[in-house]
Amino acid sequence: ETGVTQTPRHLVMGMTNKKSLKCEQHLGHNAMYWYKQSAKKPLELMFVYNFKEQTENNSVPSRFSPECPNSSHLFLHLHTLQPEDSALYLCASSHTGEFYGYTFGSGTRLTVV
Amino acid sequence: QKEVEQDPGPLSVPEGAIVSLNCTYSNSAFQYFMWYRQYSRKGPELLMYTYSSGNKEDGRFTAQVDKSSKYISLFIRDSQPSDSATYLCAIPLNDYKLSFGAGTTVTVRA
Repeated sequence: ETGVTQTPRHLVMGMTNKKSLKCEQHLGHNAMYWYKQSAKKPLELMFVYNFKEQTENNSVPSRFSPECPNSSHLFLHLHTLQPEDSALYLCASSHTGEFYGYTFGSGTRLTVV
Repeated sequence: QKEVEQDPGPLSVPEGAIVSLNCTYSNSAFQYFMWYRQYSRKGPELLMYTYSSGNKEDGRFTAQVDKSSKYISLFIRDSQPSDSATYLCAIPLNDYKLSFGAGTTVTVRA
């Protein structure tokens, strides 16, 4: 297992459900990221947190709500999702300023039914 | 225009063949170029990165940058079934934001 742990690994949810994805890193990094990976498409950066402060929101719909209580934990709260939101959601962490030092988790495979 | 473009493939080669992967990028000011490898059911991991132009070699892997044509390449020599994965090129847009290609899925047949 890498230094970035994501739970759950798989999630199936209905469009009216509320669920949360969790990410935890044990690498001492201070920046954490959420990415969306859809088939045949580039990774899409969703949110960036630096020292617990959100520094980027890449025009993500409000049905996705991030939370970063400390530099080691990151959550993505989901509600009233659409089927097109089905994808692999990847969490990553790095030291601020070290773009070459990204470490990704294994992702949560989300299916919206 | 997207910062970096990559043909998603897929690509299937016999064991021992040379694998050639390519991306194009849009901005001639980009200086760093990265390759990630992603195994099935795993997150991407950094394979190697290069600065400016020229070649960089790491074992069976060679990364190449041609700045005149804004073209980056990854070559895998003597490919093995364990090299079967999706390979993604990436370019840092600033000190934390990466722009990724769509990834090319490679299968090396034993």
